[in-house]
Amino acid sequence: GESVGLHLPTLSVQEGDNSIINCAYSNSASDYFIWYKQESGKGPQFIIDIRSNMDKRQGQRVTVLLNKTVKHLSLQIAATQPGDSAVYFCAEAYMEYGNKLVFGAGTILRVKS
Amino acid sequence: DAGVTQSPTHLIKTRGQQVTLRCSPKSGHDTVSWYQQALGQGPQFIFQYYEEEERQRGNFPDRFSGHQFPNYSSELNVNALLLGDSALYLCASSSDRGRKPQFFGPGTRLTVL
Repeated sequence: GESVGLHLPTLSVQEGDNSIINCAYSNSASDYFIWYKQESGKGPQFIIDIRSNMDKRQGQRVTVLLNKTVKHLSLQIAATQPGDSAVYFCAEAYMEYGNKLVFGAGTILRVKS
Repeated sequence: DAGVTQSPTHLIKTRGQQVTLRCSPKSGHDTVSWYQQALGQGPQFIFQYYEEEERQRGNFPDRFSGHQFPNYSSELNVNALLLGDSALYLCASSSDRGRKPQFFGPGTRLTVL
């Protein structure tokens, strides 16, 4: 079945450094990918999304890279701040079927001050 | 803009009971999706509603049912509760028939005793 996986369950970075969170997806038909941040006790918060016709998309301090050849997705956070500490999820979908999101298990990002 | 709202925040039920969770989508959104998130895991898709109809369904039993009202708000009903139904139930809304990013509410924490 469909699955989205993450390579690292926990990532620790120093404040001010850049963070890279990786994600592998298995469904080659997926054409939409999205990153969420979830803080303890809260719902997932939208960070950035990308469609399969793009390789890169930038937001404020974040960049998502998509490599369809190896079915790999990454989220880069520039100048990581303590407020970035959270669990990060990537998710995939096949938009023709109405954006049913398939989530991975998540990566914990810990920012050390 | 209030964003996606859910009620109640927390709920405690016993096995065999029935529960109804409610969701109001973000203003301007027409599609509502429900997810179940077990502790330490990523959200799992339950179903999606558009134009008051269930458009997609995940791998959940018929005990899980839902409804969407003309004002786009939605309910999730779970019958014959099991201990394993204990989880955070998340509602997400999106626009353009679900083809735009999904925004999540804070969730309802359901505990089944």
